[in-house]
Amino acid sequence: QLQLQESGPGLVRPSETLSLTCSVSGASISGTTYYWGWIRQSPGKGLEWIGSIFFSGTSYYSPSLKSRVTISIDSSKNQFSLRLTSVTAADTAVYYCARHNHEYQVRWWGQGTLVAVSS
Amino acid sequence: DVQMTQSPSSLSASVGDRVTITCQASQDIKNHLNWYQQKPGKAPKLLIYDASNLETGVPSRFSGSRRSGTDFTLTINNLQPEDFATYYCQQSDRLSSFGGGSKVEIK
Repeated sequence: QLQLQESGPGLVRPSETLSLTCSVSGASISGTTYYWGWIRQSPGKGLEWIGSIFFSGTSYYSPSLKSRVTISIDSSKNQFSLRLTSVTAADTAVYYCARHNHEYQVRWWGQGTLVAVSS
Repeated sequence: DVQMTQSPSSLSASVGDRVTITCQASQDIKNHLNWYQQKPGKAPKLLIYDASNLETGVPSRFSGSRRSGTDFTLTINNLQPEDFATYYCQQSDRLSSFGGGSKVEIK
């Protein structure tokens, strides 16, 4: 059974860097079929795709966040990570890690982790 | 960027009703459109993929259709109590982006 689990600080100061890790169990992150991505949801708002990475390290980012986002993969730990720089209150959200296919159809999600940006 | 616009943003309906939600893309996305259901405090669940394909295990009262490369609908027939939730469309033609959501509430 595939499981994804987000981890990282629940509070980040404005202008600092948000860092989250997604630990994957039940499947190898090095598989050639799936992509590993991050999606967020601001309180009471809709879903926003942040970006995704393939096992090779090729990454794809939302144009609106591209200048601030880096997604990386660590096959040895079966984990992938998100870095979002220069955060503001607008980055406060529940952050989900997810697995999707080439068509971005997400069938596996983490439980989500709330990250608040506040001083 | 491909912008996705859903309507209505919310609606009230009764058990047994038929509900239709629409999703409009800012450019032609062919049939690269997926629908998700989300309940409070939970991650979304894939319902429909590639505009009209029912995900395994999803009740047949859910259906999706493509009117054109920019216009899509999600229909729920015979609305059930467990269907009260928020629904999102997602385009996957040019990277990915989601619509703003449509909340189905109990009348």
